[in-house]
Amino acid sequence: GAVVSQHPSWVICKSGTSVKIECRSLDFQATTMFWYRQFPKQSLMLMATSNEGSKATYEQGVEKDKFLINHASLTLSTLTVTSAHPEDSSFYICSADRGAYEQYFGPGTRLTVT
Amino acid sequence: QKEVEQDPGPLSVPEGAIVSLNCTYSNSAFQYFMWYRQYSRKGPELLMYTYSSGNKEDGRFTAQVDKSSKYISLFIRDSQPSDSATYLCALCTQGGSEKLVFGKGTKLTVNP
Repeated sequence: GAVVSQHPSWVICKSGTSVKIECRSLDFQATTMFWYRQFPKQSLMLMATSNEGSKATYEQGVEKDKFLINHASLTLSTLTVTSAHPEDSSFYICSADRGAYEQYFGPGTRLTVT
Repeated sequence: QKEVEQDPGPLSVPEGAIVSLNCTYSNSAFQYFMWYRQYSRKGPELLMYTYSSGNKEDGRFTAQVDKSSKYISLFIRDSQPSDSATYLCALCTQGGSEKLVFGKGTKLTVNP
């Protein structure tokens, strides 16, 4: 099967610091990766679409200067939450597109900002 | 009207029951239909995908699509406690690197 990993799985940081989350497709190449945010008991909210070698496309209302996305290779995309605040605390999940309509999700990263 | 409607439940059934999960959608441009299972504090797991009307079976799971009614279903036969999770339908308008539109998810509990 298709495997997507995320690192770290859980991170606690202080308000004002930056946090980087990595998303890797382990056994396939992904031209496109997606970043989602999920609040408790809610569905996934798409934040941005990340294409290898080009700038990410952000959804309306998502601050691109706050959530920096870099798709460095066909197997790695990173999300950096800059100057994090408590309201940024959430569950961040990436997915990688294996082609056609098959998107595979990572296990998620729980971010807690104190 | 939201693009995708899914009853959030919760849905509670006894072990061995047949479970029916459903989504309706309003945009006839949706052509691809997926079902994901998400355990608490985990990423969603792709269960099934289809792009045509009709039924698709995989083990205890059957995905059903009715494009004329804009209605999709996931049936789980012989449900097990390990099936307890949130089930999300996801739709997209075309293949390739298209963003998915998710339903809100239905929380299912299968009681032993």
